[in-house]
Amino acid sequence: GIQVEQSPPDLILQEGANSTLRCNFSDSVNNLQWFHQNPWGQLINLFYIPSGTKQNGRLSATTVATERYSLLYISSSQTTDSGVYFCAVPTYGNKLVFGAGTILRVKS
Amino acid sequence: DVKVTQSSRYLVKRTGEKVFLECVQDMDHENMFWYRQDPGLGLRLIYFSYDVKMKEKGDIPEGYSVSREKKERFSLILESASTNQTSMYLCASSMLTGELFFGEGSRLTVL
Repeated sequence: GIQVEQSPPDLILQEGANSTLRCNFSDSVNNLQWFHQNPWGQLINLFYIPSGTKQNGRLSATTVATERYSLLYISSSQTTDSGVYFCAVPTYGNKLVFGAGTILRVKS
Repeated sequence: DVKVTQSSRYLVKRTGEKVFLECVQDMDHENMFWYRQDPGLGLRLIYFSYDVKMKEKGDIPEGYSVSREKKERFSLILESASTNQTSMYLCASSMLTGELFFGEGSRLTVL
């Protein structure tokens, strides 16, 4: 089945710094999602991005489907950005395969 | 706004008890899912459903069952809870495009 790899596994930032998270996937996909899991465990939708670039405030995402990767950019990071970031791609039947996540810690 | 509601944020149950985890979505989504999340193991799919009264096993269905009597509601049932079912349980629903929306999660502890 399709494999999803995220990097880096851990990231520590000083507040105000920028960062890029990467998601590689092993097969062609027709969509990709990014999620943020907050410290209380809830998974929040960030982007639904089959291809191209989307922006939402300080966050943006780019998916290059032909090269099988997606990038999540966080600019001017804040302590509330801390948590785990997951990417996920569909397999058969609209089930999603999740990466292992990137743990982000933003220090004040 | 998209809304997936799980009935309990935190539960503590005894070994052998029957446990119901309820999930309701208000978006008229066809697809609903139950995942569990454990440290080091990521998110694992337990069961999913494409329509009312339909269910399919995910990757780890053993020890669980589900019920979908109405389109908006998907219940996860632990017939006889065991300590290895202590976990975070996450319900989700998706539209036909596959965009997934999660509830707040339910942390279950089985003593």
